Amino acid sequence: AQSVTQLGSHVSVSEGALVLLRCNYSSSVPPYLFWYVQYPNQGLQLLLKYTTGATLVKGINGFEAEFKKSETSFHLTKPSAHMSDAAEYFCAVYPPSGNTPLVFGKGTRLSVIA
Amino acid sequence: NAGVTQTPKFRVLKTGQSMTLLCAQDMNHEYMYWYRQDPGMGLRLIHYSVGEGTTAKGEVPDGYNVSRLKKQNFLLGLESAAPSQTSVYFCASSPTSAHTGELFFGEGSRLTVL
Repeated sequence: AQSVTQLGSHVSVSEGALVLLRCNYSSSVPPYLFWYVQYPNQGLQLLLKYTTGATLVKGINGFEAEFKKSETSFHLTKPSAHMSDAAEYFCAVYPPSGNTPLVFGKGTRLSVIA
Repeated sequence: NAGVTQTPKFRVLKTGQSMTLLCAQDMNHEYMYWYRQDPGMGLRLIHYSVGEGTTAKGEVPDGYNVSRLKKQNFLLGLESAAPSQTSVYFCASSPTSAHTGELFFGEGSRLTVL
């Protein structure tokens, strides 16, 4: 079964610092991978996704993630944190074969300190 | 632009009571999903539907029933509510299977069972 592990349930960074949120997946074949963001009292929205092709994926709000097959990772980064980035971030995986829906990680809450 | 609309947004139930959560989408999406979100648990799939008249079980289906009589609506029912069902429930939809498209989420329905 596909699964994702997000390392760190809570990450705190200073405004302007690098944001790094970690996600590792378990899969026998390269899956499709997603990052979603949830702002307080809202539903989730897609940040970026990797399906095929270029392994460095750029998303909204200056975020990007790199698919590394050798490390089974899909870490999310942003060079400079902004106060508005404070939210909960979810990594999700979908197997390229089969019809099971997205499987989400447990989430990482990002706090940005002024 | 309504997108995915959930009603009600808040509800308090007593143990044993029943209720139905309604999800409506106006994007003509085929796939619809019900997730629950609990602290430290991320999002867990309850039930989903791949088209009008179809439903399937997700990761945590016990205690819930669903129906998809119309393409635009996906109902989640609790026949006899239990305190363990206190949670925030999210409905989502996608145009095709989730691996190619993104999921579009509603704003959530917060349910408390006393």
